[in-house]
Amino acid sequence: GAGVSQSPSNKVTEKGKDVELRCDPISGHTALYWYRQSLGQGLEFLIYFQGNSAPDKSGLPSDRFSAERTGGSVSTLTIQRTQQEDSAVYLCASTPGRGSSTNEKLFFGSGTQLSVL
Amino acid sequence: SQKIEQNSEALNIQEGKTATLTCNYTNYSPAYLQWYRQDPGRGPVFLLLIRENEKEKRKERLKVTFDTTLKQSLFHITASQPADSATYLCALDTGRRALTFGSGTRLQVQP
Repeated sequence: GAGVSQSPSNKVTEKGKDVELRCDPISGHTALYWYRQSLGQGLEFLIYFQGNSAPDKSGLPSDRFSAERTGGSVSTLTIQRTQQEDSAVYLCASTPGRGSSTNEKLFFGSGTQLSVL
Repeated sequence: SQKIEQNSEALNIQEGKTATLTCNYTNYSPAYLQWYRQDPGRGPVFLLLIRENEKEKRKERLKVTFDTTLKQSLFHITASQPADSATYLCALDTGRRALTFGSGTRLQVQP
């Protein structure tokens, strides 16, 4: 596709349920990032995938959070046993991955607004 | 502690004036610094990247400066327009494998 696509755009769930958030990066982009943005806050790094390398999971806030990237393209962020503090916008971004991970501009999707009741 | 600070208060200016937004950081020595624009309900959009050995970068009405001694970047929008109203985020290379973002400053340009 032309840009980074995220689905669903909105997700309302009950506390304790599991949720899956999907990200389709720009075709050909080898690097993929997940960030979380709470209301009025900056972006909090969650996880980074680069090609076939082991992902950098250093930003995941707890073991309830996990992410996969299948076939080097689509990524799924899974939150198990959701809590109210998980409510936030979850943003996905991709880059071509040709440079270092911090000197390339990030292309963001519009995010998934997660609300945990 | 390591911090990236952007003014959390909204900046209100009149159309046609120059908007100046500040990004201060402590305890980092970033090789790169980036600025993004974010509109409500949307993901951030890249605007400019400046390297540590560059003092200033320009793109149309935008100008970014990077002072590694002061540990500060300034982001200027000249001849501001109501369409420039948005939240502006700075992001740094902080030695981890992904950019670290500030919390952003909301700019409101009054017609």
